[in-house]
Amino acid sequence: NAGVMQNPRHLVRRRGQEARLRCSPMKGHSHVYWYRQLPEEGLKFMVYLQKENIIDESGMPKERFSAEFPKEGPSILRIQQVVRGDSAAYFCASSPEGQGINYGYTFGSGTRLTVV
Amino acid sequence: AQSVTQPDIHITVSEGASLELRCNYSYGATPYLFWYVQSPGQGLQLLLKYFSGDTLVQGIKGFEAEFKRSQSSFNLRKPSVHWSDAAEYFCAVGNTDKLIFGTGTRLQVFP
Repeated sequence: NAGVMQNPRHLVRRRGQEARLRCSPMKGHSHVYWYRQLPEEGLKFMVYLQKENIIDESGMPKERFSAEFPKEGPSILRIQQVVRGDSAAYFCASSPEGQGINYGYTFGSGTRLTVV
Repeated sequence: AQSVTQPDIHITVSEGASLELRCNYSYGATPYLFWYVQSPGQGLQLLLKYFSGDTLVQGIKGFEAEFKRSQSSFNLRKPSVHWSDAAEYFCAVGNTDKLIFGTGTRLQVFP
């Protein structure tokens, strides 16, 4: 039973380019959460999605960031026109239907985005 | 404001020594409490969690944590540290579907 799969592991983008980060939840999990870890900081919540629905995006920057979790396929975190301040590790977590925080979440290994 | 404080940024212990990592929180409602461990370049692994009941909870890898409501603390302990425990440890709180993390404590273990 594979865990939460994130790809790519490392992503380098030039300023102004787009970054697409993918997250495949654990088998049987229908909830996905994205967190961002800036250097020397803890993880900060970005967005919580269920299939085809954004449940809570209170942690998402207002501009340039978007997330989706389609009926088929992985969840995508998209960052348009990246800037140096977007350089961070982006982690995805998943949980089963109806369990949420009770489950404690399973995190992927993250995507480390570097903007040059 | 909701927050988590891990006062120790960096801790160094000798292998075999006991360990206590501190975590204090500020949260309006009764929180769920978690400890995660992150090895370099890796994701987060859940060590243990507390929701209710017995205030001393056991986790994986020989770790335990004690919830003290009066002190708003949830300190992580291990009686004898192994070199493989060297990693970053994060305390987190929440009672909805998003967690608030502390800034982490980096543990270094000397042989």
